[in-house]
Amino acid sequence: DTEVTQTPKHLVMGMTNKKSLKCEQHMGHRAMYWYKQKAKKPPELMFVYSYEKLSINESVPSRFSPECPNSSLLNLHLHALQPEDSALYLCASSQAETGGWNEQFFGPGTRLTVL
Amino acid sequence: SQELEQSPQSLIVQEGKNLTINCTSSKTLYGLYWYKQKYGEGLIFLMMLQKGGEEKSHEKITAKLDEKKQQSSLHITASQPSHAGIYLCGADRFMYGQNFVFGPGTRLSVLP
Repeated sequence: DTEVTQTPKHLVMGMTNKKSLKCEQHMGHRAMYWYKQKAKKPPELMFVYSYEKLSINESVPSRFSPECPNSSLLNLHLHALQPEDSALYLCASSQAETGGWNEQFFGPGTRLTVL
Repeated sequence: SQELEQSPQSLIVQEGKNLTINCTSSKTLYGLYWYKQKYGEGLIFLMMLQKGGEEKSHEKITAKLDEKKQQSSLHITASQPSHAGIYLCGADRFMYGQNFVFGPGTRLSVLP
């Protein structure tokens, strides 16, 4: 199984809502990533988990809260978002190797709209 | 930190034509990755290059990393409509990997 799955595919939420994005992989990868992608822009790294521990937080606002319950699952909890947070949120996973070998497998993304 | 530039920004070619996309880094590349993205979808891994002078091919797509490891090119031979999409180069910001940055992307259209 070389697939990364993400749910939901689409999400519309108000600024006072609390919602969660889910990502799952069964490739035995120990590094998982969240990216944010605005229209016509490349993906931007948000968070990296390595061996279920948060290893990189790219100065993301606290209204985004990541969670890695186990090595196969990655969640992104959303609270009090702003309309400018509307974007495609991509999850990826890779072997947790160092030294540059870092092929990442991406999920199809969740398209988030904040009203 | 690592910054990547890509050229051209967009490209429209007739089916059957060859094309090249370039990715240039301001710093030495520890690993250079090529991905393809269809609009609004996830990224598909194409190739990874690590050694200077390395060249890899997959079907009609060839990627090369120059000797100085600061530039990579992606070449598509005899383009097809299925090649259309956004091509993104990506790189590890640091030698230990995981902190990843993408280039701005090259939007490719292939006219039948």
